[in-house]
Amino acid sequence: KQEVTQIPAALSVPEGENLVLNCSFTDSAIYNLQWFRQDPGKGLTSLLLIQSSQREQTSGRLNASLDKSSGRSTLYIAASQPGDSATYLCAVYTGGFKTIFGAGTRLFVKA
Amino acid sequence: GAGVSQSPSNKVTEKGKDVELRCDPISGHTALYWYRQSLGQGLEFLIYFQGNSAPDKSGLPSDRFSAERTGGSVSTLTIQRTQQEDSAVYLCASSLRGGRDTQYFGPGTRLTVL
Repeated sequence: KQEVTQIPAALSVPEGENLVLNCSFTDSAIYNLQWFRQDPGKGLTSLLLIQSSQREQTSGRLNASLDKSSGRSTLYIAASQPGDSATYLCAVYTGGFKTIFGAGTRLFVKA
Repeated sequence: GAGVSQSPSNKVTEKGKDVELRCDPISGHTALYWYRQSLGQGLEFLIYFQGNSAPDKSGLPSDRFSAERTGGSVSTLTIQRTQQEDSAVYLCASSLRGGRDTQYFGPGTRLTVL
């Protein structure tokens, strides 16, 4: 059974810091991994989608890497800003109809 | 273009009543998902529609939950005889073809069962 774990559960950093969020999954047989952002009381916003054949994806200050063999992904946020404060979730698609989500990392960037 | 929309945004109901939650996916998206997010919990998969295929209902927590998707577009999630443990945010998402594509989420419906 696929399980997705995100560490840390919560993180507080001063503005301007570079930071890394971690996601691990137990079954390496995935088709893709997706990182989302969720603001309080809102739905999820897709940030990056990494297909299983890819090693990383970049969008602006965000860089996500994928190591399928070790069951790990990281989301790197450069030069963090208060507007980056949100919950970040990773999700893996393993085929069939299900996408398995982690519980998320709550990020707070202090001005 | 318009994103995924859901209605109502908030629903308060009494225990035992039936509720209907609506999802309008992005036009042209063939795949539609329903998830449930309870307080402090991750997203729980409920049901998945792909084109005209029979839906995957494997995530529905009980037979009080049902969903339909009319004309390959709008979807309704129905919860009968609501219980307090049904209180959660219900999120809908759509993708162009299925799990290999980016999922786009609606804002959710917050359901409170008193």
